Amino acid sequence: DQQVKQNSPSLSVQEGRISILNCDYTNSMFDYFLWYKKYPAEGPTFLISISSIKDKNEDGRFTVFLNKSAKHLSLHIVPSQPGDSAVYFCAVRGGSNYKLTFGKGTLLTVNP
Amino acid sequence: DTGVSQDPRHKITKRGQNVTFRCDPISEHNRLYWYRQTLGQGPEFLTYFQNEAQLEKSRLLSDRFSAERPKGSFSTLEIQRTEQGDSAMYLCASSLAGTYGYTFGSGTRLTVV
Repeated sequence: DQQVKQNSPSLSVQEGRISILNCDYTNSMFDYFLWYKKYPAEGPTFLISISSIKDKNEDGRFTVFLNKSAKHLSLHIVPSQPGDSAVYFCAVRGGSNYKLTFGKGTLLTVNP
Repeated sequence: DTGVSQDPRHKITKRGQNVTFRCDPISEHNRLYWYRQTLGQGPEFLTYFQNEAQLEKSRLLSDRFSAERPKGSFSTLEIQRTEQGDSAMYLCASSLAGTYGYTFGSGTRLTVV
């Protein structure tokens, strides 16, 4: 039973355009949401997060949107750069104050 | 601080052998986690330590797996009698109590042949 779903295994965008990565979750008790980026042969790197009391958080080119009624999370990258090409994981926290549950990831490819 | 260190980066072992991985967390972090990632999946929780106490183990962690964190510093993950299904990336992460995100290490890639 997948609690966190990233339904797009891959996404390809042109450099300079917007990348939108999506994540759906099942449990309304999740209270904190994170995005991690992973390059091959490296561990995941924290990118940006949002608390359930907010609906938007920005950090430079990265913005995370949270729609609690739809149980939907999205990450916007504007403008996209070739160095953004990586696997992006959505992660959620809930039910404990330490454990994260990850989606399967979306491979983003930004073409020059 | 150089972040979370994991050793070795790669391990190839024959089925039935025992393997041990080491993780050195960020020094001031009191929480340490082990996750496992297989191809096409996100990281899956295995176990969690707060200081030296192992507070939770996933049911993914069969009795062939054991983890320790002596003195609340580095941690080891041992897999006994390895099976091909154990082939995965084993990720260690650490954090401070009260913070939300983890810092992951680069992982140990285990291949069981």
